[in-house]
Amino acid sequence: EDQVTQSPEALRLQEGESSSLNCSYTVSGLRGLFWYRQDPGKGPEFLFTLYSAGEEKEKERLKATLTKKESFLHITAPKPEDSATYLCAVQAGRDDKIIFGKGTRLHILP
Amino acid sequence: DTEVTQTPKHLVMGMTNKKSLKCEQHMGHRAMYWYKQKAKKPPELMFVYSYEKLSINESVPSRFSPECPNSSLLNLHLHALQPEDSALYLCASSQAPPSGGVTDTQYFGPGTRLTVL
Repeated sequence: EDQVTQSPEALRLQEGESSSLNCSYTVSGLRGLFWYRQDPGKGPEFLFTLYSAGEEKEKERLKATLTKKESFLHITAPKPEDSATYLCAVQAGRDDKIIFGKGTRLHILP
Repeated sequence: DTEVTQTPKHLVMGMTNKKSLKCEQHMGHRAMYWYKQKAKKPPELMFVYSYEKLSINESVPSRFSPECPNSSLLNLHLHALQPEDSALYLCASSQAPPSGGVTDTQYFGPGTRLTVL
């Protein structure tokens, strides 16, 4: 069965303390992997799409990487405004279904 | 511009009411989606419209009725809902529908917070 697992479930960091969020997947025929940021009560905000192993993308303090089994979202010197839930989703399979992970709730302390 | 708009932002309805949620995008996207999201859970796909035709219905109860009047608009008609249907309803769009190995990024609207009393 196709699965997307995000870890950790929740993460508390001090402002400026860099870390990484993980998204591991077991799917057949990966088409793409997506990262979103979601603030409470709001819709997910698109961050990155990664298509193939070895690909990397950056945006401000965020950098997403992809291997054949997992993706990392690296956050460098985070600020309190980076606090949010980060969702990973994978598009895969014959029907190109999109499967979401359960998300990582990130809290950056000032 | 990657904006998807949704109205209303909040909706409170009784179990006997009929109401509609609206979604609009002007990016020329040909695929539109409805998702339901409960607190602290990921979005769950409900429906997919591809070129204004319903292509995926994820076994959603008939009290939810989607409609796609044109390529920019998507509605979700609600009737005889249950309290457990209370959730954040998200609309999304993508340039092309998922098919034939083509990957396309979905852009989400801000959501409608629905409360069923």
